[in-house]
Amino acid sequence: DVKVTQSSRYLVKRTGEKVFLECVQDMDHENMFWYRQDPGLGLRLIYFSYDVKMKEKGDIPEGYSVSREKKERFSLILESASTNQTSMYLCASSLAGARGQPQHFGDGTRLSIL
Amino acid sequence: GQQLNQSPQSMFIQEGEDVSMNCTSSSIFNTWLWYKQDPGEGPVLLIALYKAGELTSNGRLTAQFGITRKDSFLNISASIPSDVGIYFCAGQLKAGGTSYGKLTFGQGTILTVHP
Repeated sequence: DVKVTQSSRYLVKRTGEKVFLECVQDMDHENMFWYRQDPGLGLRLIYFSYDVKMKEKGDIPEGYSVSREKKERFSLILESASTNQTSMYLCASSLAGARGQPQHFGDGTRLSIL
Repeated sequence: GQQLNQSPQSMFIQEGEDVSMNCTSSSIFNTWLWYKQDPGEGPVLLIALYKAGELTSNGRLTAQFGITRKDSFLNISASIPSDVGIYFCAGQLKAGGTSYGKLTFGQGTILTVHP
């Protein structure tokens, strides 16, 4: 079974802090993704990566950056946290391939910015 | 970005009833996926669809890939309390290549089942 592990289930930080969310997958997947989930808005893609050191902006990248130094690990960084970044953050991974590959999700990090 | 219209937004049903939900798009998709999210957890894949017209079942769940490639449906028969959660549709515009596995998600359907 694919395992996607997010480092924290709950996190409370202060406005202006630099925040790191970590995600690790154990199935050698090429693709990794960061989403935020807000009520009524579904899952919105922040950033994704298709290879080590490669990254692409998603639909809402402003205020975020990412790092992928190793294939199994994908980090989301909030450069200077703001209250509107309070949300549920979900990490996912998938295989590369010609056929559409399902994404496998971690259990999420519920982040509160005070 | 691309949006999927998922409906209904929420459903309140009695145990034993059947449930239907759907997703529509203005774009053509090559893959449709249905996920379920239990409270406090990440979404889990229920069904994957890869061909227009395809009808696939997973226990009491049945999903179809619309003929036009612009829609998909999920049905749950004889609902039970553990069906409670948020159901998401997701579509992939292109398989492989420059899509890098990106998915577009619907807004979700919140299902509540009364015993």
